[in-house]
Amino acid sequence: AQKITQTQPGMFVQEKEAVTLDCTYDTSDPSYGLFWYKQPSSGEMIFLIYQGSYDQQNATEGRYSLNFQKARKSANLVISASQLGDSAMYFCAMREGSYSGAGSYQLTFGKGTKLSVIP
Amino acid sequence: EAQVTQNPRYLITVTGKKLTVTCSQNMNHEYMSWYRQDPGLGLRQIYYSMNVEVTDKGDVPEGYKVSRKEKRNFPLILESPSPNQTSLYFCASSFTGTVGLQTQYFGPGTRLLVL
Repeated sequence: AQKITQTQPGMFVQEKEAVTLDCTYDTSDPSYGLFWYKQPSSGEMIFLIYQGSYDQQNATEGRYSLNFQKARKSANLVISASQLGDSAMYFCAMREGSYSGAGSYQLTFGKGTKLSVIP
Repeated sequence: EAQVTQNPRYLITVTGKKLTVTCSQNMNHEYMSWYRQDPGLGLRQIYYSMNVEVTDKGDVPEGYKVSRKEKRNFPLILESPSPNQTSLYFCASSFTGTVGLQTQYFGPGTRLLVL
């Protein structure tokens, strides 16, 4: 079974509108971290936002916020006020393991969502 | 500037010709890792290292070697490249402290074509 599922292969959003990119995850480990990365056409992987499984509040970083619904095992990325430069692939990823730092550090990635921002 | 660097960024080679892709980070991270990205398969981990002289296999280690002689460097070695190793390769690094610090930062990627 896939550990990270991104069900939207591609999405379009109008410039200045908000958009939500879906991510569901599967783990039995109580300690895990969820990450979102952006990959523009140039190819680099850019870290956007992080949410820990024990964090009480949803993470926010500028125009990015993470809608964390633990019971549903979802970690959707919300981009507010979309800009043309937001057009890229977006990857959700998970790291399972002890919250203290031990355990595997491997990131498991979803297949990604290609976001296109329309002027 | 805190960063992960990779060299070369682009490489075309022929089957069987040994090559090394270098990776270096200046953030004093303990953990370093190599991933490959292929269409339809996403990112898959090749090898990782928890610290100097400590390395282990990821999901797709066949055909690759690594070494970690210094904390900042983690080279990926293809002893005898084959066309199925044509891919986009990423090096990443992170701390190994509390999970909030374990964000992995990626290098710019190396596009490899094996003919």
